[in-house]
Amino acid sequence: GESVGLHLPTLSVQEGDNSIINCAYSNSASDYFIWYKQESGKGPQFIIDIRSNMDKRQGQRVTVLLNKTVKHLSLQIAATQPGDSAVYFCAEFVVELDVKVIFGPGTSLSVIP
Amino acid sequence: DVKVTQSSRYLVKRTGEKVFLECVQDMDHENMFWYRQDPGLGLRLIYFSYDVKMKEKGDIPEGYSVSREKKERFSLILESASTNQTSMYLCASSRLTASSTDTQYFGPGTRLTVL
Repeated sequence: GESVGLHLPTLSVQEGDNSIINCAYSNSASDYFIWYKQESGKGPQFIIDIRSNMDKRQGQRVTVLLNKTVKHLSLQIAATQPGDSAVYFCAEFVVELDVKVIFGPGTSLSVIP
Repeated sequence: DVKVTQSSRYLVKRTGEKVFLECVQDMDHENMFWYRQDPGLGLRLIYFSYDVKMKEKGDIPEGYSVSREKKERFSLILESASTNQTSMYLCASSRLTASSTDTQYFGPGTRLTVL
């Protein structure tokens, strides 16, 4: 069946290092992807998005890479800071007869000071 | 900035009670969504609405109903709460675009415990 999953459920990174969070998806009929950040006790916050006609998109300290060949999405955070500690999850918009959004279960990022 | 608010951050209810969860957005978004979030399962769509008085079932609508009487407000109703409805409930809104793929903005969530 369709699924969006994260390879690593937890990730610990030293402050100042770069972080890479991965997401695998199984449905090739996808149009749009979003990375969300969810801090403890808060709702998910939009970080960055990418459409299926792109391979890479950069924001402030974050980069999203899309590899459609292997159906893989990654979020790279440069110079990770303690404030980056949160759960990160990807969302996939599958466009077929209608639009369906599939959310991954999330990866917990812990930044070690 | 988009603002999505939910009426309660924490709720404790008893089995069989009727529960109302309210969501309000201030960006004139057409689409509104209700999700529940459980550990290891991610976000699962309960219901969504793309216009006033319109509603569509999501992946797990059983045991829930919704109401959209005004564009800015989307209510989730548990007619008779059960313990398996203990969860974090998240409301989201987005614009209605031609492709229907647009960013969903989330509220802070309501953590509901049913005893």
